[in-house]
Amino acid sequence: TQLLEQSPQFLSIQEGENLTVYCNSSSVFSSLQWYRQEPGEGPVLLVTVVTGGEVKKLKRLTFQFGDARKDSSLHITAAQPGDTGLYLCAGVSGGGADGLTFGKGTHLIIQP
Amino acid sequence: GAGVSQSPSNKVTEKGKDVELRCDPISGHTALYWYRQSLGQGLEFLIYFQGNSAPDKSGLPSDRFSAERTGGSVSTLTIQRTQQEDSAVYLCASSSYRGGSEQYFGPGTRLTVT
Repeated sequence: TQLLEQSPQFLSIQEGENLTVYCNSSSVFSSLQWYRQEPGEGPVLLVTVVTGGEVKKLKRLTFQFGDARKDSSLHITAAQPGDTGLYLCAGVSGGGADGLTFGKGTHLIIQP
Repeated sequence: GAGVSQSPSNKVTEKGKDVELRCDPISGHTALYWYRQSLGQGLEFLIYFQGNSAPDKSGLPSDRFSAERTGGSVSTLTIQRTQQEDSAVYLCASSSYRGGSEQYFGPGTRLTVT
């Protein structure tokens, strides 16, 4: 069974601070996705990383895929209250797998 | 255009009753997925459909769970003889093809079994 471990599980910081969320696995994934979920809504895709070592930037968010395609990180610069939410990483298996393998998520709260 | 819709948004049922959850995917999306999100457990993959067929049903938690999709569009997830541990948010997602394409999620159905 493929597992994705996310850390930290909960994070509460002040507006303007930087933070990093980690997603780790012992399994190799063909690609990895990051989603953001707000209360009462379904997850919304932020980014997909495919190549080992890949770095993608989305405004103040920087996503990195590990060289071995087993881990990923999300770094937020100058966090804002609007960044508050549940951040989920999800692994995509290349062998004709079915759904995504999700981590348990990081609950992020940005205090104004 | 319309996104993925799910109904009902909330369902409270008594233990032992059957429930049926509905998912309307984005028009034209051939792949459809069901997930369960329990408190503190993240999203658990249940089943996916490519067209009307579900090649692998091993993700369903027990034989009380079943799902079908007709006409390559609407899908229903049925839970028979509900138990309290079935309480969770059931999320549906669709994508234009299986396996890595962006999945668009519905808002979910919150099921509470009393």
